[in-house]
Amino acid sequence: GQQVMQIPQYQHVQEGEDFTTYCNSSTTLSNIQWYKQRPGGHPVFLIQLVKSGEVKKQKRLTFQFGEAKKNSSLHITATQTTDVGTYFCAGGNNDMRFGAGTRLTVKP
Amino acid sequence: DVKVTQSSRYLVKRTGEKVFLECVQDMDHENMFWYRQDPGLGLRLIYFSYDVKMKEKGDIPEGYSVSREKKERFSLILESASTNQTSMYLCASSIDRGGYGYTFGSGTRLTVV
Repeated sequence: GQQVMQIPQYQHVQEGEDFTTYCNSSTTLSNIQWYKQRPGGHPVFLIQLVKSGEVKKQKRLTFQFGEAKKNSSLHITATQTTDVGTYFCAGGNNDMRFGAGTRLTVKP
Repeated sequence: DVKVTQSSRYLVKRTGEKVFLECVQDMDHENMFWYRQDPGLGLRLIYFSYDVKMKEKGDIPEGYSVSREKKERFSLILESASTNQTSMYLCASSIDRGGYGYTFGSGTRLTVV
C-alpha cells in the first residue's frame, strides 16, 4: 500500500510559538485528512483537503495541500496548552494510510 | 453524533488464546476499519470492509481475521494471540467511499502475556 511519511516525530514548543508538521507521499493522493489525538484519547477528524493547492483554516490552524497532491502541512499559530497531542495526516482514497504522527508538547 | 463503540477498553490475554475484538457503529456507515497503533509507527491498517460479508486486507493482516455479518458490527479476530500483537487496536467507520473523515472508537489496549 501507499506510504505516508510525516515529520517531525516530536515537537516541543513554548506556549505562543508556532508549530508545523509536514506530510509527504511518494504517490499522488486523492485527498488528505488530518486528525488530532489527545493524550489517552483516540484520533479525532479535523479536516479533509481534496484540491491541488487547497488551503483551509480552522481558527489558529492552517492546512495546506500541495500543488502536486503529494504533500501537506498543518500549521498552528501561537500554540496553546490545549493544542497538546499527536497530529496525524492520512492519505488515500477510502482506505486511508496514516503517517506516524507528530507529537506536540507545549510548555506554559 | 456517530458513535463507534469498542467492547473493551483493556484486555489481557494469554499467548495462544483466540481473541475477539468487537466494534459497533450506530450511524449506518458503509465502511469499517481496523487499525493497530504502536509508538513511532502511527496507525497501521489491518483489515477493512466496504459492505456486509465483505473484507479486504490492509497492510498488516497476518495473524488476524475479521468478520462482518451485520452492517453495524465489525469484529477483529486474533486466531492465536502472540506477544507481538500487544498493541492499541482502533476501530473506525466512515459514511461511504470518497474519503470522508473517519470516526474512531476509543480503542482497546490489548496485552498478550
